[in-house]
Amino acid sequence: DAMVIQNPRYQVTQFGKPVTLSCSQTLNHNVMYWYQQKSSQAPKLLFHYYDKDFNNEADTPDNFQSRRPNTSFCFLDIRSPGLGDAAMYLCATSRRGGAGANVLTFGAGSRLTVL
Amino acid sequence: AQSVTQLGSHVSVSEGALVLLRCNYSSSVPPYLFWYVQYPNQGLQLLLKYTTGATLVKGINGFEAEFKKSETSFHLTKPSAHMSDAAEYFCAVTGNSGGYQKVTFGTGTKLQVIP
Repeated sequence: DAMVIQNPRYQVTQFGKPVTLSCSQTLNHNVMYWYQQKSSQAPKLLFHYYDKDFNNEADTPDNFQSRRPNTSFCFLDIRSPGLGDAAMYLCATSRRGGAGANVLTFGAGSRLTVL
Repeated sequence: AQSVTQLGSHVSVSEGALVLLRCNYSSSVPPYLFWYVQYPNQGLQLLLKYTTGATLVKGINGFEAEFKKSETSFHLTKPSAHMSDAAEYFCAVTGNSGGYQKVTFGTGTKLQVIP
């Protein structure tokens, strides 16, 4: 089945120690997103890639970076995690246009704990 | 600009009772509307979507929603709740104008099903 895979599912890091979360997709979708979701809150968009074009949300801290080396993979780098960055990180994909545009397919998420 | 309001952060129903989760939206362009479900420690899964055409849309697991433009609503219903329906539900809106449009989520409603 075509899907969105996130690794690792659970990540524990220490305050200030860099973390990389990965996302891969077999849907061949043009757009890939990273969302941050804190407990009992709506997902908050951090940034998205529209093909190779990177689009940062205005309020995303510089501490968060992303890479998309090819269509299938996308990475979220947190350079110096703080306690406030503990959250579920969700990767999602969508088509670029047509009937499926903006219909998000989510991965299972990566839960980050910061000690 | 667009926004979503979900009335009730927590809803409790008895098993077998009607489920009604409320969602109102605002959008400056014709909307696409979605309901997503999230189980604990999982990503979001699309329940159903309205794009164009029929205003009553049916989704997975027996859920349906009706787009009412005059009321700017997209309430989610299910005739008979099952224990497995206990989860968090997110309403979302995006613009129906082609290309990339940001998806805006509501703050979510946690559904509790009482045996």
